[in-house]
Amino acid sequence: QSALTQPPSASGTPGQRVTISCSGGTSNIERNAVNWYQQLPGAAPKLLIYNNNQRPSGVPDRFSGSKSGTSASLAISGLQSEDEGDYYCAAWDDSLNGRELFGGGTKLTVL
Amino acid sequence: QVQLQESGPGLVNPSETLSLTCTVSGGSISSYFWTWIRQPPGKGLEWIAYISYTGSTNYNPSLKSRVTISLDTSRNQFSLKLSAVTAADTAIYYCARTVAGKVNNYYYHMDVWGKGTTVTVSS
Repeated sequence: QSALTQPPSASGTPGQRVTISCSGGTSNIERNAVNWYQQLPGAAPKLLIYNNNQRPSGVPDRFSGSKSGTSASLAISGLQSEDEGDYYCAAWDDSLNGRELFGGGTKLTVL
Repeated sequence: QVQLQESGPGLVNPSETLSLTCTVSGGSISSYFWTWIRQPPGKGLEWIAYISYTGSTNYNPSLKSRVTISLDTSRNQFSLKLSAVTAADTAIYYCARTVAGKVNNYYYHMDVWGKGTTVTVSS
């Protein structure tokens, strides 16, 4: 099973709403929980959304997640310059012995 | 607050074994799952393996023949060994606390990450 599929780049201006898609299959996104990680330049990844649409404590409600069938999306509203970085989707793939799959990452640029 | 810190050599010779340790502070390792992830330079994230608080393990099939993950509850640490390394194993290696289980469907998310340690494979 290859990585989940994300667009390599996305962009928006401050205040705009941006969405990032993540495409997978039945054995991962459709059946299991989807998570999103934010990686700011030079930093470790940080959990942004878990269990499809839950925000950890401290994550602003500008960030939201959704899932439908074999696809998931991350939406960022009220885009801010500090949101610029890489975003990864992830889900457990339960084929064979199981493993965690990541998307290839989307580089978000705030224009 | 739980914190994780990776440690180990920054340079490993080709064909040798890479050994890393993740030290957990501010909480007990005797709960949760614990995961290793890596990121080659300029590339995306790759899941390597997990170990649970009971000692059960699961490995990325693409690395399984070379990887061993272990838990040391007395030291609140878990470790990664990757054998027969090549330049393709050059990456930032992260350890992470993981919440995982199954309630109808599988859930698996890494909620606390270490800062990462850079490992270069070169002679």
